[in-house]
Amino acid sequence: EVQLVESGGGLVKPGGSLRLSCAASGFTFSSYALNWVRQAPGKGLEWVSSISSSSSHIHYAESVKGRFTISRDNAKNSLYLQMNSLRAEDTAVYFCARDGGDYNILTGYAPGDFDYWGQGTLVTVSS
Amino acid sequence: DIQMTQSPSSLSASVGDRVTITCQASQDISNYLNWYQQKPGKAPKLLIYDASNLETGVPSRFTGSGYGTDFTFTITSLQPEDIATYYCQQYDNLPPYTFGQGTKLEIK
Repeated sequence: EVQLVESGGGLVKPGGSLRLSCAASGFTFSSYALNWVRQAPGKGLEWVSSISSSSSHIHYAESVKGRFTISRDNAKNSLYLQMNSLRAEDTAVYFCARDGGDYNILTGYAPGDFDYWGQGTLVTVSS
Repeated sequence: DIQMTQSPSSLSASVGDRVTITCQASQDISNYLNWYQQKPGKAPKLLIYDASNLETGVPSRFTGSGYGTDFTFTITSLQPEDIATYYCQQYDNLPPYTFGQGTKLEIK
């Protein structure tokens, strides 16, 4: 059974940092691209970042570029999101989501369909 | 970035009704369009991928269609367990991926 379990959320002051983790099991972790998607309270879904299986392809939403860093450790079946310079508007539930496959090695295109999701971890940025 | 315009934002229907949600992309995205269902307090669930393909295990009353810029999601016979918010999402080859604003579906 595919499982994704996020952790690391909490309350942080504006300008602070936080590192989210996503522990994966039930599938060959090193074969799939992964994503972070967030949802502000009462709002819709916003894609945050994507990373290919080998970390060779990484993308960010403009809203987090330069502040957030996505990474993965295939030996530990884990995905991470380092969040720096946090703002009130970063307050959200952060989900990790598995892509339906990996980036195409010829085209660099991503599958883009999020077939498994974790339960999410809440990040609150407030003074 | 590609913008997705989803409508309606909310919808009230009776059990057994046919329900339709639309999503329009700001530019041609071929069939790179997914539909998700999200129940309160839960993670989203993939229902339809590549505009019209049903994800494994998803009931056949959920269907999707469209190509280019205009897409439609239909529940052919609404069931009580279908109460949720539904989102479209485009994935035109590369990120950034964008979601529609969501449609909150309620039982009348």
